Amino acid sequence: GDSVTQMEGPVTLSEEAFLTINCTYTATGYPSLFWYVQYPGEGLQLLLKATKADDKGSNKGFEATYRKETTSFHLEKGSVQVSDSAVYFCGRGSTLGRLYFGRGTQLTVWP
Amino acid sequence: SAVISQKPSRDICQRGTSLTIQCQVDSQVTMMFWYRQQPGQSLTLIATANQGSEATYESGFVIDKFPISRPNLTFSTLTVSNMSPEDSSIYLCSANAGTLYTEAFFGQGTRLTVV
Repeated sequence: GDSVTQMEGPVTLSEEAFLTINCTYTATGYPSLFWYVQYPGEGLQLLLKATKADDKGSNKGFEATYRKETTSFHLEKGSVQVSDSAVYFCGRGSTLGRLYFGRGTQLTVWP
Repeated sequence: SAVISQKPSRDICQRGTSLTIQCQVDSQVTMMFWYRQQPGQSLTLIATANQGSEATYESGFVIDKFPISRPNLTFSTLTVSNMSPEDSSIYLCSANAGTLYTEAFFGQGTRLTVV
């Protein structure tokens, strides 16, 4: 069935390191794709999205490109900061606005 | 965008009891949803709360365990019935415009512990 597979965590990086969190999906058709972030003690916030193939979503230095040939939407950031420490969820859209998510990846950035 | 408020923010409940979680949106929204975030961080869709009709449940979730109401376009409740320790999770309310391309907005969640 349709699903989202996300890189297992936790991920621990030093400040200014490069970040990649892998995400692949299975779905019929071409769903919208999302990355959400959950900072400690807070709710989920939309980080970025892409609605069609080859779209690139970007926000706060994070980027992800919708790759239909590899059914992927990997999250990247060139230089992480301590303030980026959070849990990141990859999600895909479905009919009637439903969203389905991966398991989440805990990112910890050390100074 | 929409601002979503959930009550209570947390609760500790005895097994065998029920808890009703309220979700209030600051504007009318087409679709409302309930999610469960279990320890280990997976975020699972429980059901779509339909205004004026029965909720639509995802595989593995049933109405007897998770009855849902949605009396209007800004409010929904989720009840966790006959609770067991396995129901200890964060329950999240979400809302969006209901199209294929729209993002969802989330409440802060209700942290439930069943003892």
